[in-house]
Amino acid sequence: GNSVTQMEGPVTLSEEAFLTINCTYTATGYPSLFWYVQYPGEGLQLLLKATKADDKGSNKGFEATYRKETTSFHLEKGSVQVSDSAVYFCALTGGTSYGKLTFGQGTILTVHP
Amino acid sequence: GAGVSQSPSNKVTEKGKDVELRCDPISGHTALYWYRQRLGQGLEFLIYFQGNSAPDKSGLPSDRFSAERTGESVSTLTIQRTQQEDSAVYLCASSLVGDRNNQPQHFGDGTRLSIL
Repeated sequence: GNSVTQMEGPVTLSEEAFLTINCTYTATGYPSLFWYVQYPGEGLQLLLKATKADDKGSNKGFEATYRKETTSFHLEKGSVQVSDSAVYFCALTGGTSYGKLTFGQGTILTVHP
Repeated sequence: GAGVSQSPSNKVTEKGKDVELRCDPISGHTALYWYRQRLGQGLEFLIYFQGNSAPDKSGLPSDRFSAERTGESVSTLTIQRTQQEDSAVYLCASSLVGDRNNQPQHFGDGTRLSIL
């Protein structure tokens, strides 16, 4: 079956530091890959997505590249801000899953001024 | 602006009681999903609706859990004879089409269920 493994957190960084949150997956067929974010007190929202190999998803300065050869979709940002503090979830849909999402366990990011 | 709306936002009930959770999807979204997030864990899929049929119920944990949907509108998730392990945040999501894997899902704020 499908599965997603995320880098364990929590991750604590200073403002303007470089961020990487690792995500690897197992899936049948050709999955679509997503990063969702949950800011404090808010609902889960889509951050970025990639639907085929070598695609790069990007939004709000965050990027992730769909790497089929390494089955990875690592999230990166060159310079984090305090406002990026949130929980980040890697997820996929694939195969005959009717679009249902399989999530990683989430990574808590805290950015200090 | 109509996002996905869930009610109640919080529910506290005694073990053994039945609870009903409601989800109003975004208008025009034919696909609707229920997920559960227990403390310290990732989101678990429960059930998927396409219109008012449920082609995938594989995530429902037991026969105490059931769900229905009226047309392409409101869905209710019912938990009978609640147990303490049912305590979790129950999230609803909707998307335009469910059979295409690249459609983004839009999530509600969830219902936080606490079983005493």
